Amino acid sequence: AQSVTQLGSHVSVSEGALVLLRCNYSSSVPPYLFWYVQYPNQGLQLLLKYTSAATLVKGINGFEAEFKKSETSFHLTKPSAHMSDAAEYFCAVSLFVQGGSEKLVFGKGTKLTVNP
Amino acid sequence: DVKVTQSSRYLVKRTGEKVFLECVQDMDHENMFWYRQDPGLGLRLIYFSYDVKMKEKGDIPEGYSVSREKKERFSLILESASTNQTSMYLCASNRGEVQPQHFGDGTRLSIL
Repeated sequence: AQSVTQLGSHVSVSEGALVLLRCNYSSSVPPYLFWYVQYPNQGLQLLLKYTSAATLVKGINGFEAEFKKSETSFHLTKPSAHMSDAAEYFCAVSLFVQGGSEKLVFGKGTKLTVNP
Repeated sequence: DVKVTQSSRYLVKRTGEKVFLECVQDMDHENMFWYRQDPGLGLRLIYFSYDVKMKEKGDIPEGYSVSREKKERFSLILESASTNQTSMYLCASNRGEVQPQHFGDGTRLSIL
């Protein structure tokens, strides 16, 4: 069964530092993977998605993620953190259920703090 | 731009009440979803629907039901609210397979 593990429920970085948020997945078939961001008191917004095209996926706000099949990872990075990046980030994998419908399985989330 | 609107941002109800959470999307999406979000647990799928009048149980359907009479509207029903259903509820929709889900801003529900 597909599942997602996000390593580190809280990550703290300084403004201008590299952001690295880790996500590992388990899947018996080639996965479709997503990163979402949730700002305080808002719903989730799509940052980027991987659907088996390029392994390096660029998203909004300067974020990117690299799909590594050998490591079953899809880590999210940003070269230089900005104060506005403070939010909670969710990794998700697409799961096809019996009958052909599809749902997302989410990780537990990583809360990013950016220090001035 | 896709808009998913949840009828209430904050709601306070009493145990035993029947509670309705409403969600409307304006992009003619086939699929709609209800999640609950709790600290440290991430998002958990309650129910989803891939067509009008169709519904499928998610991972935690107990104590909930749903209704989808029209394509744009997906309602979550707490038949008899209990305190352990105090949570943030998020509605989402998407066009089809492997398409990104678009989320509403959530309803923070407190059951007293």
